[in-house]
Amino acid sequence: GEQVEQLPSILRVQEGSSASINCTYENSASNYFPWYKQEPGENPKLIIDIRSNMERKQTQGLIVLLDKKAKRFSLHITDTQPGDSAMYFCAASDYNQGKLIFGQGTKLSIKP
Amino acid sequence: GPKVLQIPSHQIIDMGQMVTLNCDPVSNHLYFYWYKQILGQQMEFLVNFYNGKVMEKSKLFKDQFSVERPDGSYFTLKIQPTALEDSAVYFCASSRDISNERLFFGHGTKLSVL
Repeated sequence: GEQVEQLPSILRVQEGSSASINCTYENSASNYFPWYKQEPGENPKLIIDIRSNMERKQTQGLIVLLDKKAKRFSLHITDTQPGDSAMYFCAASDYNQGKLIFGQGTKLSIKP
Repeated sequence: GPKVLQIPSHQIIDMGQMVTLNCDPVSNHLYFYWYKQILGQQMEFLVNFYNGKVMEKSKLFKDQFSVERPDGSYFTLKIQPTALEDSAVYFCASSRDISNERLFFGHGTKLSVL
């Protein structure tokens, strides 16, 4: 299968705390896992990605983890700020097909 | 960063009419994609395109849909005839390569079929 499952669908966290979003994928050939942030009325913007030769990647308050054995990857936003409120989508693609299959999205709200 | 331009940003059309959505991909990108997003839901893959040909299309890419990029101009998605369920935001994306390459998305065309 090609499905990408994303949880939770809604996430509310206190400003300054961390937020975690989890995704699982079915296609064992998947080897590229980007995360997109989408604000209302806007296009999805790539915020971080990880390839299958890595297990962890960190940039500017974002951490992504990849567990290929479990076919699971996750996004962790540390020290959340009001500007982090948005929809977040995980996605997966494989070398042969190239197309991204997206998760269902997580609506993240940061409470002041 | 690299920009994908989509024209128009919003299109209102009567059911049964034809509509063409236009996309100007990033200039050195070779692979082009269309995705469909219904409000608040996930982005769903429609089709990808390379070297003048459709590479893969999903079940959502109905017979009424077609794509082309004549002579390196706009990459277009045509729907003929449109149906009510075609109402959505259509995002164009492009990438430089097929494997493990970042997709850059346009701002989308909101299609409203009445």
